[in-house]
Amino acid sequence: DTGVSQDPRHKITKRGQNVTFRCDPISEHNRLYWYRQTLGQGPEFLTYFQNEAQLEKSRLLSDRFSAERPKGSFSTLEIQRTEQGDSAMYLCASSPVAGASTDTQYFGPGTRLTVL
Amino acid sequence: AQSVSQHNHHVILSEAASLELGCNYSYGGTVNLFWYVQYPGQHLQLLLKYFSGDPLVKGIKGFEAEFIKSKFSFNLRKPSVQWSDTAEYFCAVNRNDMRFGAGTRLTVKP
Repeated sequence: DTGVSQDPRHKITKRGQNVTFRCDPISEHNRLYWYRQTLGQGPEFLTYFQNEAQLEKSRLLSDRFSAERPKGSFSTLEIQRTEQGDSAMYLCASSPVAGASTDTQYFGPGTRLTVL
Repeated sequence: AQSVSQHNHHVILSEAASLELGCNYSYGGTVNLFWYVQYPGQHLQLLLKYFSGDPLVKGIKGFEAEFIKSKFSFNLRKPSVQWSDTAEYFCAVNRNDMRFGAGTRLTVKP
């Protein structure tokens, strides 16, 4: 399968713990996006990378959230001191080399986070 | 505020009925418009997109959408739905980042 992959698929944690999610984009896609989706809502943009550079961050991305893409391939999203409000599906997407806003974004299956 | 609105939260149709799902956006200037679909248990995937040219766009599985600039709309249509079209449908606008609507859940009864 050469699609976008995410790991883990499910994560249950206690409030106050740190969690880290991984996303592997489609090979040679130079843009990588993170979204958060809560029940009954569409995905909400969090941040995106072009290669290693993090080019934009949403105001939704508080200082407890950090994302990296150190070698321009896979990316990690870390949430520190998790809160119950962080419970959501975290989606990753990638888009091709051109990286234009007309590009299709290809989504992964998501990581469902539950904070108890 | 800039937003994407999908008018219907849940639509229930019988097989062979026609479908139209509304989408309006509030961004000015040039926009790129998308419809994504999420079948039960599957990833979000692209149905169709519009960024220039013919405002009537055809996508996969017999879906089409019409961009009407004056109405800031990009409604999704299908003349005859099938049970397998049961899914959640998301309209999205991409300028610098992708903004999604809240989604419309479509249930097609066999």
